[in-house]
Amino acid sequence: QKEVEQDPGPLSVPEGAIVSLNCTYSNSAFQYFMWYRQYSRKGPELLMYTYSSGNKEDGRFTAQVDKSSKYISLFIRDSQPSDSATYLCAMSNSFYGGSQGNLIFGKGTKLSVKP
Amino acid sequence: DAMVIQNPRYQVTQFGKPVTLSCSQTLNHNVMYWYQQKSSQAPKLLFHYYDKDFNNEADTPDNFQSRRPNTSFCFLDIRSPGLGDAAMYLCATSRGGTSSYEQYFGPGTRLTVT
Repeated sequence: QKEVEQDPGPLSVPEGAIVSLNCTYSNSAFQYFMWYRQYSRKGPELLMYTYSSGNKEDGRFTAQVDKSSKYISLFIRDSQPSDSATYLCAMSNSFYGGSQGNLIFGKGTKLSVKP
Repeated sequence: DAMVIQNPRYQVTQFGKPVTLSCSQTLNHNVMYWYQQKSSQAPKLLFHYYDKDFNNEADTPDNFQSRRPNTSFCFLDIRSPGLGDAAMYLCATSRGGTSSYEQYFGPGTRLTVT
């Protein structure tokens, strides 16, 4: 079983739809949960960051972490064509000692928002 | 704008011919990372530098080496590229410590091995 599982999609939705992106993981030591967005031919950029369980909201984006189920989600409300990108989840257990931010990424879900 | 720059954006090399990829940053970050991302795969960390301290991932092949001559620059050397090394190579930086979750990525270098 891979440490982080993410459905690669592609996922196609109409403009204005609510998008739900998900990842599951197996390592119960993960405490830091990130969502990165990667546009075509660009490097990933950090979108959301959550520590431990709970919800975090930033504008149209909401990140949820359920550590009991080892499941994280990213919701995008009122999706726009500019949201079309690949969304990668990433996780880490510690940023101290030798790890210094070793992120374990999912494969990414390719999202297309149609006008 | 502060940023992470990678050169070249596209690199073609022959099987077995050494190649060097370059990364520079204007963010003055302590940590620089190299990731390998194959098509439809997750980025995979190869190694990172915290200042001058080099940290190699256990499963990174010996064929891959890195140098960080100063804070701003970091190089990825592939000594004898094989066909399986064709991938996007991403450089990233962070402040380190509790800010390590926030990594700033360059646009990547796409390596083709013929």
